[in-house]
Amino acid sequence: SQTIHQWPATLVQPVGSPLSLECTVEGTSNPNLYWYRQAAGRGLQLLFYSVGIGQISSEVPQNLSASRPQDRQFILSSKKLLLSDSGFYLCAWCPWGEKLFFGSGTQLSVL
Amino acid sequence: QKEVEQNSGPLSVPEGAIASLNCTYSDRGSQSFFWYRQYSGKSPELIMFIYSNGDKEDGRFTAQLNKASQYVSLLIRDSQPSDSATYLCAVNRDNTDKLIFGTGTRLQVFP
Repeated sequence: SQTIHQWPATLVQPVGSPLSLECTVEGTSNPNLYWYRQAAGRGLQLLFYSVGIGQISSEVPQNLSASRPQDRQFILSSKKLLLSDSGFYLCAWCPWGEKLFFGSGTQLSVL
Repeated sequence: QKEVEQNSGPLSVPEGAIASLNCTYSDRGSQSFFWYRQYSGKSPELIMFIYSNGDKEDGRFTAQLNKASQYVSLLIRDSQPSDSATYLCAVNRDNTDKLIFGTGTRLQVFP
């Protein structure tokens, strides 16, 4: 079956600390993968998308980066978190067609 | 002008009524339109998609698309308290698989 895994579910980090969020998918090869962020009271914002290993496109300038070291693994990182990085981070993929499916999300609070 | 606009609500309807959710978009090149349901603290769940002008029905849900007016709507018949959630409209950008989301409409169904 085709599934998407995202962890951790909740994360509290101090300002200036590093970040690493991981997303993995199962059941398909070479999927398009996405990182979205949902800030409090705001819509979903596309941060990064990837069409293959090592291929990352950034949608907005920010304090974050993404990497795709393996076909089914997508990582969101930061070297030094800012307060404005707080939000609900969602990994997503298109296992078929244009339908986008989301992981369970990570609620990040930067204090 | 935002790329995808929705009324934030809340939209309050009694149980058993029809809930009507609306969305407008700015990119005339968009070809794919999606509705997601998001419960508080959870990730969005795809509930409907539509590609052609007209209506598409799936159970209690009907999606309506009018490309000339750049307008998408979602009707929920026989609304239930369990339908209470935020409904996100999403539109693909530049005929790609990158989705742009509205900020969502909060629906409250009261018994």
